[in-house]
Amino acid sequence: DSGVTQTPKHLITATGQRVTLRCSPRSGDLSVYWYQQSLDQGLQFLIQYYNGEERAKGNILERFSAQQFPDLHSELNLSSLELGDSALYFCASSARNGGYGYTFGSGTRLTVV
Amino acid sequence: QQQVKQSPQSLIVQKGGISIINCAYENTAFDYFPWYQQFPGKGPALLIAIRPDVSEKKEGRFTISFNKSAKQFSLHIMDSQPGDSATYFCAASKEGGKLIFGQGTELSVKP
Repeated sequence: DSGVTQTPKHLITATGQRVTLRCSPRSGDLSVYWYQQSLDQGLQFLIQYYNGEERAKGNILERFSAQQFPDLHSELNLSSLELGDSALYFCASSARNGGYGYTFGSGTRLTVV
Repeated sequence: QQQVKQSPQSLIVQKGGISIINCAYENTAFDYFPWYQQFPGKGPALLIAIRPDVSEKKEGRFTISFNKSAKQFSLHIMDSQPGDSATYFCAASKEGGKLIFGQGTELSVKP
């Protein structure tokens, strides 16, 4: 157990729908990072939050949004889902506002049908 | 300039052999180079990392070799075991920013 908790583990939904993925970082970690892993694109950085504030943005679609709450858990919202959004979504956390020593969760496997 | 290129895509090694995975980067501002190991159904786990001020770092059977002038770094797994069969990712970041990952190498160690 890495200490980073992601729920749900699996999600199957239809095109056009909206889903919310949840991440609880390791105790004491202030930064949360979201990554998308697909077979053809590898691990792609989506967005980072540090202590509730957005700090960096990657190749995140406008249909996707995220936030980090005062208790430091984070949610990734995916809307108007398309078949191509099917992927593994990982959350990682680190103690500081920096990429050293990420700890990843086990991911949420999203299948859009 | 943000890319990290990893090779090979897949690798088959006999038990007891040496597994070698290579990565190349373009952005000379990168200052942190970790390797992650991922088993099926799990998230990537940090294996070993190096900073550009050293040319080699060893932890048990795992060694990172770093060539700053060539902008390349590699992971060597000595005495490879079937339990090492996994997908390996190299990555890079600058000034503590987001990690940029290579495409991954699927390693299979045959008994």
